[in-house]
Amino acid sequence: NAGVTQTPKFRILKIGQSMTLQCTQDMNHNYMYWYRQDPGMGLKLIYYSVGAGITDKGEVPNGYNVSRSTTEDFPLRLELAAPSQTSVYFCASGGQISGNTIYFGEGSWLTVV
Amino acid sequence: DAKTTQPPSMDCAEGRAANLPCNHSTISGNEYVYWYRQIHSQGPQYIIHGLKNNETNEMASLIITEDRKSSTLILPHATLRDTAVYYCIVSPPRTGNQFYFGTGTSLTVIP
Repeated sequence: NAGVTQTPKFRILKIGQSMTLQCTQDMNHNYMYWYRQDPGMGLKLIYYSVGAGITDKGEVPNGYNVSRSTTEDFPLRLELAAPSQTSVYFCASGGQISGNTIYFGEGSWLTVV
Repeated sequence: DAKTTQPPSMDCAEGRAANLPCNHSTISGNEYVYWYRQIHSQGPQYIIHGLKNNETNEMASLIITEDRKSSTLILPHATLRDTAVYYCIVSPPRTGNQFYFGTGTSLTVIP
């Protein structure tokens, strides 16, 4: 049972470059989330989705974009990477079939230099 | 924004009960209290949740005050593996709503 899978696990990006963090879940969850966690800090919600074709902003959406074309996938795109986006990124999914709890992936470590 | 307040850190002796408090004085009638923990830099792990009744599962117990303005997560026999950051979250039952984490409580279990 794969659960929530994130790729890549580690990436170094140069300032101004763009990239996409991939997130896939195999639990047929409607709801998916992207969080970032800076060193020593709590998780901040970037974007979330309540179903395919529907996305909405969280606490810290600036500098990011998302799409949800399928139930399984919720990629996070970074445009024009900045050092402030150096962080650990977590994808999560949940739904009523999961008892209203959410499950997290293992994280993607991103460094912008 | 997170709607909960937790102490930044706590210690607990191994084998003793760890009692982690959380204040959520602005909780709405339909909002649940959820607890998650994060070990090292792993993804957060679900522990337990409740609405107004006390709850218990294989990991922990959740005690919610009658006015629902605060709660306590109890780890009955803390082990070194329970050293983690514990997050208390309030959220409506449909997880399609925004699910906000605060800064949590860093619990250190001492041998």
